[in-house]
Amino acid sequence: RKEVEQDPGPFNVPEGATVAFNCTYSNSASQSFFWYRQDCRKEPKLLMSVYSSGNEDGRFTAQLNRASQYISLLIRDSKLSDSATYLCVVNRGYSSASKIIFGSGTRLSIRP
Amino acid sequence: DTEVTQTPKHLVMGMTNKKSLKCEQHMGHRAMYWYKQKAKKPPELMFVYSYEKLSINESVPSRFSPECPNSSLLNLHLHALQPEDSALYLCASSQEKYNEQFFGPGTRLTVL
Repeated sequence: RKEVEQDPGPFNVPEGATVAFNCTYSNSASQSFFWYRQDCRKEPKLLMSVYSSGNEDGRFTAQLNRASQYISLLIRDSKLSDSATYLCVVNRGYSSASKIIFGSGTRLSIRP
Repeated sequence: DTEVTQTPKHLVMGMTNKKSLKCEQHMGHRAMYWYKQKAKKPPELMFVYSYEKLSINESVPSRFSPECPNSSLLNLHLHALQPEDSALYLCASSQEKYNEQFFGPGTRLTVL
């Protein structure tokens, strides 16, 4: 089993829809969490950090559930420009055994 | 300046060549990273520098040799690469290790 797993996708949704992705992690020592988006043949771009209290940036909401060990990303009123691959990133620990792990990504396609 | 720059954008090299990839940031970040990304896969962490010292080496073959000449610059020296090393090489930086990372546009490497 992978240490970080994401919904496989692809998600194909109409413009204006609400879509949600989850990302589960297996190591309870994980310390910090992020969502990135990556467009085809481009670099990943930071979308948002994820905190236990949840955080919102416009149409995007991210949540962390430490008890169930998952993070989520909700996109409301989706736009054509939201089409991309969404990557979750989990940083495990701050010791010499620490790791930075990317999920395998979820592809999102918004159709007109 | 909120940008990470990488040169060159594209590189084609033979298996006996020696080349270097360069990465630069002027955001005052103290952590810098090298990643390798194959098509349709997430980035894989290779090296992390924190305060100009190598902090993490993810068991990368010795034909890849990182160097951090100062806090703004990160190099990746390449020697005797194999065709399977062909990939997108991404550099990233963050304020401190494990904070939000900002990625450069990458160097697309082809090994013949």
